[in-house]
This record gives sequence, structure tokens and C-alpha cells, in this order.
Amino acid sequence: DQQVKQNSPSLSVQEGRISILNCDYTNSMFDYFLWYKKYPAEGPTFLISISSIKDKNEDGRFTVFLNKSAKHLSLHIVPSQPGDSAVYFCAAMRESSNTGKLIFGQGTTLQVKP
Amino acid sequence: NAGVTQTPKFQVLKTGQSMTLQCAQDMNHEYMSWYRQDPGMGLRLIHYSVGAGITDQGEVPNGYNVSRSTTEDFPLRLLSAAPSQTSVYFCASSYSWGRADTQYFGPGTRLTVL
Repeated sequence: DQQVKQNSPSLSVQEGRISILNCDYTNSMFDYFLWYKKYPAEGPTFLISISSIKDKNEDGRFTVFLNKSAKHLSLHIVPSQPGDSAVYFCAAMRESSNTGKLIFGQGTTLQVKP
Repeated sequence: NAGVTQTPKFQVLKTGQSMTLQCAQDMNHEYMSWYRQDPGMGLRLIHYSVGAGITDQGEVPNGYNVSRSTTEDFPLRLLSAAPSQTSVYFCASSYSWGRADTQYFGPGTRLTVL
């Protein structure tokens, strides 16, 4: 049973436009959510996170929105740049468990065209 | 400061062979973990450790052993390799197990089991 789902395997956007990546989760016990970015032949790198007590977190061009009632989060990248082309994973955890266990989605491959 | 290092980068095994995937970090992190990444599945947690001498199972621990005799090293042992263990393996570490946004991932080991 996939507790964290990214239903779009790929997304293609034009440089300068907005990229919106979506993620859904089923476990209401998750209280902390993260986005990771991964380039080929490299490990994932942390991008941005959000606690369940917030509904929005912003860091430069990246904003994560959390809708707890819908169990849905999204990552907005504005404006998109060719260097943003990568695989994006959303991940969730129960921060209160103090185990650091992350549950990842399947990933969405973003292509930003010049 | 090398961060998280993994060896080897690539490995081909025959069914039934055993091997150890090495992971080391030089950041004095308490928390270390192993993930596998399969197409369409995202990253799944195999085992994790919250400190030297302490390990626990993740989502998919069967067929793998770990130990943590030092803070720096967290090897992953495949006892009897099976084709289902063909995957890309990532090691990660962080200062604290409570928050995952401090997790640093290694570059990965691509394992093929024939």
C-alpha cells in the first residue's frame, strides 16, 4: 500500500513558467513533509519542507503548500529554470516518532525547456 | 569534508552470492539509514540506526543485515543475493533523527543480481 503517491510520473514546462508538482498521502499520522530533488547518478538532496501546523512554506523560487483535509501537498517552482530539470520526490514522516523514517513517493521527472 | 560516501558505485552479483555495501560519513552524524530505489517505487527504507550499536528495521528489511559499530560507518550486507535485490541503494545520514531535512544522501550504489 503506497502511503505517499505522486501520480504524475513526468512534467514538462517552459523556462520562466510555473512548475507544479503534486503529492498525495493516506496516513493522517504524518506530520512533516519534505521535497527532495535528484539529479542522475547523484543522491537526493533536500529542497524544502513543511510541518503539518503550517499550510505554506516558501524558500526563494520554491513554495510548498499543504492541504491537510485533502491529504495533499504541492511544490511550486516560479520561475522554472532549465537547471531545475530533475526528479522530485515528496516524502512524509511522523516527526513525533523520533525515528527519522521517511516514506517517499514514486517521484516526478521535471523537464524545463529553454 | 567528504560528506556521505558509498562504495562500490556499481556491482554485479550472481544469485546466492553475498556482499557488503559500504557507507561512511565524516560529519559525526548520529542517524544513518539505507534506502533502495526501484523504478516506479520511489525510495524505500531498508534499515536505520539512531547511534552506534543501535539499529532497527525499515519498510523492506528482508534479505539485508546491518550493524553500526562506529558512528562513521553503516555497512549493508546482502546475505544471499536475489534478482529482486537489483536496485540502486542509497545511504543517508543526519545529525538528528527527529528532523529529516538534515539528511544527506550518498551518491548511490547500483547493484545488479543475475
